[in-house]
Amino acid sequence: DSGVTQTPKHLITATGQRVTLRCSPRSGDLSVYWYQQSLDQGLQFLIQYYNGEERAKGNILERFSAQQFPDLHSELNLSSLELGDSALYFCASSVGTGTGYEQYFGPGTRLTVT
Amino acid sequence: AQSVTQLGSHVSVSEGALVLLRCNYSSSVPPYLFWYVQYPNQGLQLLLKYTSAATLVKGINGFEAEFKKSETSFHLTKPSAHMSDAAEYFCAAGFISNFGNEKLTFGTGTRLTIIP
Repeated sequence: DSGVTQTPKHLITATGQRVTLRCSPRSGDLSVYWYQQSLDQGLQFLIQYYNGEERAKGNILERFSAQQFPDLHSELNLSSLELGDSALYFCASSVGTGTGYEQYFGPGTRLTVT
Repeated sequence: AQSVTQLGSHVSVSEGALVLLRCNYSSSVPPYLFWYVQYPNQGLQLLLKYTSAATLVKGINGFEAEFKKSETSFHLTKPSAHMSDAAEYFCAAGFISNFGNEKLTFGTGTRLTIIP
């Protein structure tokens, strides 16, 4: 158990809909990262927040957005969903910012868009 | 371009045999390097990390990796495979992105199968 929690575990929704994925980092960690894992794209970095502020951006679509709240939990919002958005979405956390810090991954949310 | 390449998407070894999973990075400056393991239906677990303090890095579950700058490699090894090692293994590197921030770039993964 990494100490990172993600909810829900599974999500099935229809095209065009909007969903919110939630992540709680390990106690004491200030950074939260979001990743997408799919068969065709592999593991892709989406976005990072550090202590409530956006710190780094990866291959995140404009239909996707995220935020980190004062209690440090984070939410990833996916809107106008397409079939291709079906994937595993992971959250990771680390104590600091910068890739020298170990990232600890949550169990993931499996999103299925039908 | 900065990248991480894992040679061999599938590797099979016999129980008790040497495990060797290959990883090469492409970067003018050696990045931070990591190996993660993913068991079915689980998240990624950190195996080990290279930060330039030592070229041979020991991790959990008997794994170790050696950083070789001249070969831009960070191969993962384990002397004797165990059935519980069957999983997907990811090599990752911390690069400075085009936007000036740091991000982890993952290889495509190697699925390790252990033959009884």
